Amino acid sequence: IVLTQSPGTLSLSPGERATLSCRASQTVSNSYLAWYQQKPGQAPRLLIHGTSYRATGIPDRFSGSGSGTDFTLTISRLEPEDFAMYYCQQYGPLPGFTFGPGTKVYVK
Amino acid sequence: EVQLVESGGDLVRPGGSLRLSCAASGFSVSDTYMSWVRQAPGKGPEWVSVIYSGGSRYYADAVKGRFIISRHESESTLYLQLNSLRPEDTALYYCVRGGGVYVFDIWGQGTMVTVSS
Repeated sequence: IVLTQSPGTLSLSPGERATLSCRASQTVSNSYLAWYQQKPGQAPRLLIHGTSYRATGIPDRFSGSGSGTDFTLTISRLEPEDFAMYYCQQYGPLPGFTFGPGTKVYVK
Repeated sequence: EVQLVESGGDLVRPGGSLRLSCAASGFSVSDTYMSWVRQAPGKGPEWVSVIYSGGSRYYADAVKGRFIISRHESESTLYLQLNSLRPEDTALYYCVRGGGVYVFDIWGQGTMVTVSS
């Protein structure tokens, strides 16, 4: 399964809403779609699992939705620390795991 | 504290071999599935291999037949043996813990593998 993310880059201001898309080449189970945030020089951090469940310690301005082949990560109001790369990840037919190419959210 | 610390990355010539290690603390590497994920400079993460608690192992097509994942339960250490290395294997290699349903909830800081002549 190939994941495509759009847009590739997103220029927004703090306080604005960010909507990131992840599209799969085949149907993905809702249980198996996750989102990660990565800042420069850091490892990725799990944000969302099972399409819509926030990981431990993730603020509620982050939300996930979608089904089938189309999934969305929404950041309701961007905080300065939210400007980063975002990757979706799915688990599917063996060998199993794939990541999307990412969306970079940067300050306008 | 749950933590993963990788080691073993180095500069190696094409065709060479390397073994990466990942020391886990705060949990046992046999309690859950463990993976290696790599990230080439300026690129997104790429899943490499997984070993499940029952012992099953799987590999990405790009490394199948060249890399071997293993674990040492008593030492709570995960390994990745890298053989027949190619320049395209150059990346930061992360050790990651599987959490919940096929996601990666704990990541190490990564160890750099550079394949170049």
